Amino acid sequence: KAGVTQTPRYLIKTRGQQVTLSCSPISGHRSVSWYQQTPGQGLQFLFEYFSETQRNKGNFPGRFSGRQFSNSRSEMNVSTLELGDSALYLCASSSRQLAGGQETQYFGPGTRLLVL
Amino acid sequence: AQSVAQPEDQVNVAEGNPLTVKCTYSVSGNPYLFWYVQYPNRGLQFLLKYITGDNLVKGSYGFEAEFNKSQTSFHLKKPSALVSDSALYFCAVFEGNTGKLIFGQGTTLQVKP
Repeated sequence: KAGVTQTPRYLIKTRGQQVTLSCSPISGHRSVSWYQQTPGQGLQFLFEYFSETQRNKGNFPGRFSGRQFSNSRSEMNVSTLELGDSALYLCASSSRQLAGGQETQYFGPGTRLLVL
Repeated sequence: AQSVAQPEDQVNVAEGNPLTVKCTYSVSGNPYLFWYVQYPNRGLQFLLKYITGDNLVKGSYGFEAEFNKSQTSFHLKKPSALVSDSALYFCAVFEGNTGKLIFGQGTTLQVKP
């Protein structure tokens, strides 16, 4: 079956703009989680959605938001972009929540965002 | 406060030898513990997850991890390393009380032939 897809793969924005990233999970998966990876901060957890509800959230400001649709596709929005938001944004899908049972997470290839 | 430490930035091991990548954690309550691997140019992959029960968790690619509650450790192990295991490994802990997943800084594993 098809894997996790993320669009767009690459994006260049300028400071102050906003951006929306999309993640399509594996068919049947209801959990989508988002992560930010930077050379300086490493891997950081943004949030997790399950059945259209945000279940868990990391330590990111309110500029970072997300949502999940009834088909489990998820979007992540960053408003008022800052230079420090330049990063690789990854999403992962699973049939269970992070706090759920044993179930593999499948990661997408990521969206590389550059903020100028 | 919730935290994860991977004390070694890099681990070097010869092919065929056993490998261990170390991880210690601090969390209130019962932890959910994860290991992930990032191969060069291949993205991030899930290796295994500890919830509760058996202290030895088996994962993908022949990896396993040992949960030690008294030492608050969750070390990743493999009996016989392959050159293809060379990658960046991340340990993470999820705290149910706060709903946050915290990653360690990562350990680069270098397996030499």
